[in-house]
Amino acid sequence: AQSVTQLDSHVSVSEGTPVLLRCNYSSSYSPSLFWYVQHPNKGLQLLLKYTSAATLVKGINGFEAEFKKSETSFHLTKPSAHMSDAAEYFCVVSDYGIPGGSTLGRLYFGRGTQLTVWP
Amino acid sequence: DGGITQSPKYLFRKEGQNVTLSCEQNLNHDAMYWYRQDPGQGLRLIYYSQIVNDFQKGDIAEGYSVSREKKESFPLTVTSAQKNPTAFYLCASTVGGGGYSNQPQHFGDGTRLSIL
Repeated sequence: AQSVTQLDSHVSVSEGTPVLLRCNYSSSYSPSLFWYVQHPNKGLQLLLKYTSAATLVKGINGFEAEFKKSETSFHLTKPSAHMSDAAEYFCVVSDYGIPGGSTLGRLYFGRGTQLTVWP
Repeated sequence: DGGITQSPKYLFRKEGQNVTLSCEQNLNHDAMYWYRQDPGQGLRLIYYSQIVNDFQKGDIAEGYSVSREKKESFPLTVTSAQKNPTAFYLCASTVGGGGYSNQPQHFGDGTRLSIL
C-alpha cells in the first residue's frame, strides 16, 4: 500500500510570511499526489495535484508544490500567508497506475497539518 | 451547480440503534466513497463503489453497510455492531469507476455522528 507522512501536525505562521507544509511519500514508483484543504466542519477541497507532468505544480489560492523523486517529497508552499489560509491540510497519494495498485485509484491520506495564521 | 450533498449535518445515535447517513451527487460520477475522519488520523476508507450495484470494503468496513442502487446515491448505515461510531463521516465521488480514475475526488460537507 502507498503511504504519506506529514512531518508536522501543526504549523503556525504570521500573516504575510511564507508557508511550508512538508510531506514525504512512500513508493517505489512515481505516484499521483494531491494536496487537499479542509476548513472546520467542511469537506475537503482540492488544492493541487501531481500526475507525472511538470514537477512544480501550481494550485489554487497561490499554493504550489514541488515533486522531488530523489527525496520522495511533495512539500506545499505559499509565498505569503493570508488569514483565510488557516485550515487543515492533507497530503494524499493515489495508487493509480502503480503495479499491484487498484484500478480505482485509491487514495491514502496523511494525518493532516493544522495551519494557524497569526495576524 | 453540481456537487455532493450529505445529510443530516449532525446525527445522534442511541446505543443499539442503526442510523443511515445520506450521500447524493449530481456530478454524474461513477465511483463513490465513504470515509471516516477522527482527530489526528486523517481519513480512512470505509466502503467504495465503482459502479451501480457493486461495492467493496475499504480498510475499516466492520460495523458499517452500504448500498448502491442508483448512480447518484450511496447511503451508509452505521450498525449497532460499530462500537465506536462517534466521528466525522465524509462522502466523495470521482469520475470514472472502470479503471481510468486518476481524477481528484470531490467531497461533501460531512455528517458528524455522536452517541447519546
